[in-house]
Order: sequence, then structure tokens, then C-alpha cells
Amino acid sequence: GEDVEQSLFLSVREGDSSVINCTYTDSSSTYLYWYKQEPGAGLQLLTYIFSNMDMKQDQRLTVLLNKKDKHLSLRIADTQTGDSAIYFCADPAGGNMLTFGGGTRLMVKP
Amino acid sequence: DTAVSQTPKYLVTQMGNDKSIKCEQNLGHDTMYWYKQDSKKFLKIMFSYNNKELIINETVPNRFSPKSPDKAHLNLHINSLELGDSAVYFCASSRALAGWDQETQYFGPGTRLLVL
Repeated sequence: GEDVEQSLFLSVREGDSSVINCTYTDSSSTYLYWYKQEPGAGLQLLTYIFSNMDMKQDQRLTVLLNKKDKHLSLRIADTQTGDSAIYFCADPAGGNMLTFGGGTRLMVKP
Repeated sequence: DTAVSQTPKYLVTQMGNDKSIKCEQNLGHDTMYWYKQDSKKFLKIMFSYNNKELIINETVPNRFSPKSPDKAHLNLHINSLELGDSAVYFCASSRALAGWDQETQYFGPGTRLLVL
């Protein structure tokens, strides 16, 4: 079945850039997603990228997609303490069920 | 104007009890889901319903029974609760189902279930 993997933890200083990486095995999906989960809260759709794009920029967020290597990354520019959360990449694996990575815990130090 | 809502937000109960979690979406979506997030924050699909019909059942024990009275609601009933059922349960909805993997799923706030 589909496997989506992320590193577990990332710590950055406020104002630095954060890069959260994700690898996946099923490349048939039309879209790939990033969700954000703040402490004690639900999942919030952060951004997504169409699979025929290499890059998508949305304000401080940049999503990079390398289909050849099945690698997805989320870059947060000028990271703020409010960005501290768990970030999940998700792949519909060509269907409708989302397979989630294990989540990357981003800690932003002042 | 909450898009996907769940009740209760917290649920603490004894082993062996039967409990229900309710989910409602006001987005006019046709498809609803239940996900389970374990203590390690791993998220897994449990069920998917499209137009009140069960589409996906991902190896979930029979003690879990989803019920969809209408397109806007998908409730999760759990019989004979076990310690291992302790988790956060998320409801989600999307506009369409099969073949439409680009249909974004919107999540509810989660229900934190603790079985003692």
C-alpha cells in the first residue's frame, strides 16, 4: 500500500526558514496536500499542489514537488512562533482516501 | 459558520461502554470520512461514506459502526469500548469520491476519546 514518510521533528529560530520534507510511494495522485495541526486542535488544510507543478508559492509558504524522486517539501519563510505545530503531508494515492505521513513537529524558538 | 463540526469534543468513558460521536458538515459535500489519530499522531482512515452509503471500511473492528442518517451527518458508534480505542477521532468531508482524488478534504476539530 501507499507509504508516506516525514521526519518527526524540526526546530528553528524565529525569522529563519523552515523546510519540512515528505516522501511518498504512490505517484498517481493529482494533488498532494499539507495539513497543519496546532496543539490540541484539528487538522487545517494549509496548502496543496497539483501534481504537474514543480512549485507553488502562497505568501510565506512554498511547496516543492519532485515527482521523479517522489519528494514533497514545504518551506515556511520567516518562521514565526505561531507556526509551531505538527505538519502532515497527505497523498490520496490516486483515490479518495488520504494517507498521511507521521507528521513533523515544528518548534519555533524565539 | 463551522464547516465540519463534531460532538463531543472530549469523551471519557469506562471500558465496555457504548458511545457515539456525531459529525455534521454544512458544506453540501457528498462524501464524509472518519479518521483515527493514535497517541503517536499517526492518522488512518477508518470509513468513507458517499451519499449515505458505505464506501470504504479499512479493517476496523465490528465494534465500530458508522451511521449516516443523511448526507450532512456521519455518526460513529462504538460498542464495548476497549483501552486501545483511546485516540482522537476526526471527521472529514469532501465534495466527491471515487476517482476525484483532487477533492480536498476538510476536517472537523476532532473528538478526544479516553477509555479508562
